[in-house]
Amino acid sequence: EAGVTQSPTHLIKTRGQQATLRCSPISGHTSVYWYQQALGLGLQFLLWYDEGEERNRGNFPPRFSGRQFPNYSSELNVNALELEDSALYLCASSLAYERAGVADTQYFGPGTRLTVL
Amino acid sequence: QKEVEQNSGPLSVPEGAIASLNCTYSDRGSQSFFWYRQYSGKSPELIMFIYSNGDKEDGRFTAQLNKASQYVSLLIRDSQPSDSATYLCAPHLAGSARQLTFGSGTQLTVLP
Repeated sequence: EAGVTQSPTHLIKTRGQQATLRCSPISGHTSVYWYQQALGLGLQFLLWYDEGEERNRGNFPPRFSGRQFPNYSSELNVNALELEDSALYLCASSLAYERAGVADTQYFGPGTRLTVL
Repeated sequence: QKEVEQNSGPLSVPEGAIASLNCTYSDRGSQSFFWYRQYSGKSPELIMFIYSNGDKEDGRFTAQLNKASQYVSLLIRDSQPSDSATYLCAPHLAGSARQLTFGSGTQLTVLP
């Protein structure tokens, strides 16, 4: 069974540009999560999509946005790139349901390393 | 107070020893707890999860949960150099929708 896939592996942009990162979840998973991991820092939650809708977002500015397509794949867009956006962007997926308040397991993709010059 | 706290390490243990990794969390409503391992430059990979108080064993790994003390730990028996990585604790905090809140991780080095 294929895992979560992300593209591109690496992305180099300059300040002010826009970046688009893509994620395909594990087959059968309908929830997609995006996390940012800056160098030396922990994983910070960015966005959660489920059934095509944005369900929750972390403490990030509006220039971080995304969407989920009917096939459950997802795209993260970062506008007006800043130097501090340089980080590893991780996508995770899980099954749709949450059993009695217990979170379902999230499986991570290999990540996209974004470098802003 | 941080929502999830882990000793950043580095924690060094000799090969074959037991490595003990600890995590405390602030939200008493948390019900599920995940441990991930992350090698340098790679994405996190799930080791195991635990929902109920007590111990849960999976091969060389044992997760321990004490909800009253808001404490979860991961024991690695017969540590191997290949276990050298950063270990991330991720409680699912009540009211946080379904994203996980990650600790900053504990860096483990197993010395041959």
